Amino acid sequence: SSELTQDPAVSVALGQTVRITCKGDTLRSYSASWYQQKPGQAPIFVLYGKNNRPSGIPDRFSGSTSGNTASLTITGAQAEDEADYYCNSRDNSGNHLLFGGGTQLTVL
Amino acid sequence: QVQLQESGPGLVKPSQTLSLTCTVSGGYIRYDSSYWGWIRQPAAKGLEWIGRIYSHGSTHYNPSLKSRVTMSIDTSKNEVSLTLTSVTAADTAVYYCAREPLMGDFDYWGPGILVTVSS
Repeated sequence: SSELTQDPAVSVALGQTVRITCKGDTLRSYSASWYQQKPGQAPIFVLYGKNNRPSGIPDRFSGSTSGNTASLTITGAQAEDEADYYCNSRDNSGNHLLFGGGTQLTVL
Repeated sequence: QVQLQESGPGLVKPSQTLSLTCTVSGGYIRYDSSYWGWIRQPAAKGLEWIGRIYSHGSTHYNPSLKSRVTMSIDTSKNEVSLTLTSVTAADTAVYYCAREPLMGDFDYWGPGILVTVSS
């Protein structure tokens, strides 16, 4: 069955670079999108396609995919980047969506 | 700027039907080529895709919920609706509606509405 797997928690020192990964077989066929969610708030769309940022998203956020793994990289993490990050992508049917379990990012 | 707002009962009894409405402002559904999706999130858990509806009425539902979910769209009211039948405590969650211009890309979200299933 289709699924997307994320590490539950990742930490990064302030100003350093962190990569958050999302693994799943469907990523070989479909691109991932990424969302940032802070406590008590709705998710925010931060990355889509091969490496595209919606308007207003800082350029320290970037994305890539290799094989079955999609990655969100934050170059020079800021305190305000501390949040949960979720990936999503299509399942094998191509019409349904999957979300990864989410990664809690802590900025030290 | 497109804005979405979920509304509906915050409390639903087990075995009953959950009904939510998402009102879209700042744009017209009938002229927007986007899908309109529903996503839910139980407390302290991850996001779960419920399904989507296109402005013309075509739908895709999460296979795990398909037997209980119906979505509809009212372009005259600029609203999208979700019904989920035979609810249990496992359906307790914050429910979000979101605009989906391309599959998987949710660019605008409502603030979410907490629905609790309890007697």
